[in-house]
Amino acid sequence: EAGVAQSPRYKIIEKRQSVAFWCNPISGHATLYWYQQILGQGPKLLIQFQNNGVVDDSQLPKDRFSAERLKGVDSTLKIQPAKLEDSAVYLCASSLLLRASTDTQYFGPGTRLTVL
Amino acid sequence: DQQVKQNSPSLSVQEGRISILNCDYTNSMFDYFLWYKKYPAEGPTFLISISSIKDKNEDGRFTVFLNKSAKHLSLHIVPSQPGDSAVYFCAASAFDYGGATNKLIFGTGTLLAVQP
Repeated sequence: EAGVAQSPRYKIIEKRQSVAFWCNPISGHATLYWYQQILGQGPKLLIQFQNNGVVDDSQLPKDRFSAERLKGVDSTLKIQPAKLEDSAVYLCASSLLLRASTDTQYFGPGTRLTVL
Repeated sequence: DQQVKQNSPSLSVQEGRISILNCDYTNSMFDYFLWYKKYPAEGPTFLISISSIKDKNEDGRFTVFLNKSAKHLSLHIVPSQPGDSAVYFCAASAFDYGGATNKLIFGTGTLLAVQP
C-alpha cells in the first residue's frame, strides 16, 4: 500500500514570495491533515479536511495561508506572502475513519520550507 | 499552553538495555495516546497507541503504559537496538463529537540514541 506522498521535499524562497505544497493521501482515506513542525517543536495542526470539507482550521493563519482539497483526494497548502517565521517542515497526514479518537494518522515525508 | 510535555530532550542507552521515554499531559479530556517515531528527513511513523480505558499496551519490543491519575504515559523499548535511534513523539487526542474533529496534540519529542 502506497503511503502519503508530498512534493516538493525542499523549498527555499525569499520573504514575501508565494509557495505551494501538494499532498496525495493514502487511497481511501477520507480525512486529511496539514501540520506545521517548527525546529525543536512537535507538529502543530493547521487544517483538517473530511473528504473535501474543512472540519478544523482554527490554527491556520488565514491572512496568508490557504488550503484546498479537490474532489476529496489531493490537497494543496499555499502561503502568500511568506514570512521568515514560516520556515518549518510542512507535514501532510491522512486517516481512514474520522469519527473515533482511535483513528490513526499516517504521515508523509514532509516539505522543508526555508524562508530567507 | 503545552498540553503534552516531553521533558527529556534526549536519552542515551546501551544496545540490549531498556529505553524508557516519558510523557506528561494536562488535559483530562484526552482519551487516546500515541507514540510516533521519526527519522531525519522522514515523516513521523506510527509506533504504538493506547486508549484511556487501558493501562498497558504491548507490541513486540514496545510497551506503552498509561497512568491516568498522574496524567503520565511512558514508552518502554526492550531490548533497545541501534535502529531504534530516532526522535520519539508522544501525541494525544480527544475526539470532539460536536465539531467532528480529531486533533492530535504533540509533545516536543525525545531524541533516543542507542549505542552499540
